[in-house]
Order: sequence, then C-alpha cells, then structure tokens
Amino acid sequence: GAVVSQHPSRVICKSGTSVKIECRSLDFQATTMFWYRQFPKQSLMLMATSNEGSKATYEQGVEKDKFLINHASLTLSTLTVTSAHPEDSSFYICSATPLGWDHNEQFFGPGTRLTVL
Amino acid sequence: GQSLEQPSEVTAVEGAIVQINCTYQTSGFYGLSWYQQHDGGAPTFLSYNALDGLEETGRFSSFLSRSDSYGYLLLQELQMKDSASYFCAVRDRENTGFQKLVFGTGTRLLVSP
Repeated sequence: GAVVSQHPSRVICKSGTSVKIECRSLDFQATTMFWYRQFPKQSLMLMATSNEGSKATYEQGVEKDKFLINHASLTLSTLTVTSAHPEDSSFYICSATPLGWDHNEQFFGPGTRLTVL
Repeated sequence: GQSLEQPSEVTAVEGAIVQINCTYQTSGFYGLSWYQQHDGGAPTFLSYNALDGLEETGRFSSFLSRSDSYGYLLLQELQMKDSASYFCAVRDRENTGFQKLVFGTGTRLLVSP
C-alpha cells in the first residue's frame, strides 16, 4: 500500500514552453502533497506544499507564478512549470502521506526528470 | 532557518559497519527521519526517532540525542545494494498544521567488494 505515482517520468521540452507533472496517490487519499526539486548530487529541496481544495503554500524563493500547483482531488496534485528555461532542468519529486497517518513516513513518487533545451 | 549537516561521502567494504551522522539546527523539532535514495530513484523511508535513544530495524539502526541536536544512522553487515544516498530529515510543523520534511545535505555511501 501507500503507492505514489508520477507522470511523466521523463520530459524534454523547448525553452519557453510549459510542462505539467502529475502526482497521484494510487491507493490512499491525501489532503496534503509535497513537491521537491533535486539537482544532481544534491539534496531534496521543498518547493511547495499542495493542499487539496485550497492554495498551495510555497517555500521562500520559489516563484508561485512559475510553478503552478493544483490539488484538485484527494488523489491528484499537478505541478506546472511555466515558461520553462534550461535552469529549470531538474528532478522533480512529489510525496504524500495517507489521511490519518501519523506522518512518521512520507511516500515518494518515482520522480520526473525535466530537461529544458 | 533550518540546517541539517551530513558528511558528503562515506566509503566502506561489504560486511562492514558504517555510521552516518546528522547534526541539525531547526526552529521546531518533531522527530528525525532517515531516507535512502538510489540514483535516479525515489527516496524510501528507513527509520524515525522522536525520542532520544536507539531504534533498530533489521540491519539499520538510528540514534537521536535531542540535547545535542544530533543523530546517526548505523548500517550493519553492509551489502553492495546499500550503495546509495542517505538523507536525514526533520519534520517541521507549520503554523497551519501541515507537516513538512526538511532534508539534510545527504551522504553518498559507496560500498566496495
């Protein structure tokens, strides 16, 4: 149980285009999901907290107009990288915790590798 | 702000024991977690300490000293498959009640034959 999926696993796009990444909890519901970005050989940096039915909470320094987050249901959150540029190339990972879980463990998706040309 | 420091890299041989340290400075503290991540993969949960002391889960153990703002992950009977990056993380409850993880700098473990 507690499986999180992401789609796509890899995406290559041209500079200036927008890319949408989906994060789904397959066998549980989550009111909160988290989006991280990870550059090669670096740690996971939290970008934002995605809240079902309300606005996302962004970490300091993360542009909310560039990284649009929509948490439309208890099993789906989407991250849209708008007007992507090469510096946005990174590994994007989401995580979630089942409703009522004691939050000792977060379940991570397999990640999406974004390459902007 | 918050910071969690870890050694960048640790090397060991198969069958050995290795300890990965984590020192943290956080505004709030609700427990220390450890995650393993293989290259290109998702982080997977290893262990969690809310209170001082040692937690053992098979070959992996984790220790916490809240007074020292310090913890470590102990890996015993190392196997080649243990070669991965290991991250400590603290839970940080925001005022809104949501909990988020703040990750450490990460330690790359290389296990050799």
